[in-house]
Amino acid sequence: QLVESGGGAVQPGGSLRLSCAASGFTFGNYAIHWVRRTPGKGLEWVASIRFDGSKNYYGEAVKGRFTSSRDNFKNTAYLQMNSLRADDTAVYYCAKGSATYPDWFDPWGQGTLVTVSS
Amino acid sequence: QSVLTQPPSVSGAPGQRVTFSCSGSRSNIGAGYDVHWYRYLPGTAPTLLIYGNNNRPSGVPDRFSGSKSGSSASLAITGLQAEDEADYYCHSYDSSLGGYVFGTGTKVTV
Repeated sequence: QLVESGGGAVQPGGSLRLSCAASGFTFGNYAIHWVRRTPGKGLEWVASIRFDGSKNYYGEAVKGRFTSSRDNFKNTAYLQMNSLRADDTAVYYCAKGSATYPDWFDPWGQGTLVTVSS
Repeated sequence: QSVLTQPPSVSGAPGQRVTFSCSGSRSNIGAGYDVHWYRYLPGTAPTLLIYGNNNRPSGVPDRFSGSKSGSSASLAITGLQAEDEADYYCHSYDSSLGGYVFGTGTKVTV
């Protein structure tokens, strides 16, 4: 099970940190992926972090502004979002990777809403 | 950005079969990367429906099947039921982008 938190309303240029708390599996064995959903664009891959946190990958839209990290002792992944823009407004999901790189994503959390507006 | 193209919507009567495509390119599906499918219902988390082109996770009815050929993939739903009304997304990896890509999504109406 994955549970996201940390979403909310923020002004353009602001920052938010999302958390993804995991349970029910050996967290440190799997990559964690972040995906966002907007009504207009559907699903968009945002970021991925390797099982051991040694490497991160980012979508072009967020590269240089978002940073993913994880604490395998706390079974939690994080997405630090800086320089937020209106088009970052979305529901953000974290998902567990399948460990068969490239991964499929399963399961997903319920999502947390991020609204960027002045 | 969505580099996998799906029809915006398909519809069918209860009991019918519907199928819809996920069209990619030589850097994703055509490069041999697997295609996965997810179902999304508003207000809920997306759920895995098909993985590795044509494999169903436990609990997914065999009414759902996936296939892949060349740079495209398809999802078929047979014996359409009212509960199948949802948005469906395909998913793969793109070597040119160096990351994952999703389809534009297809809304199934029963």
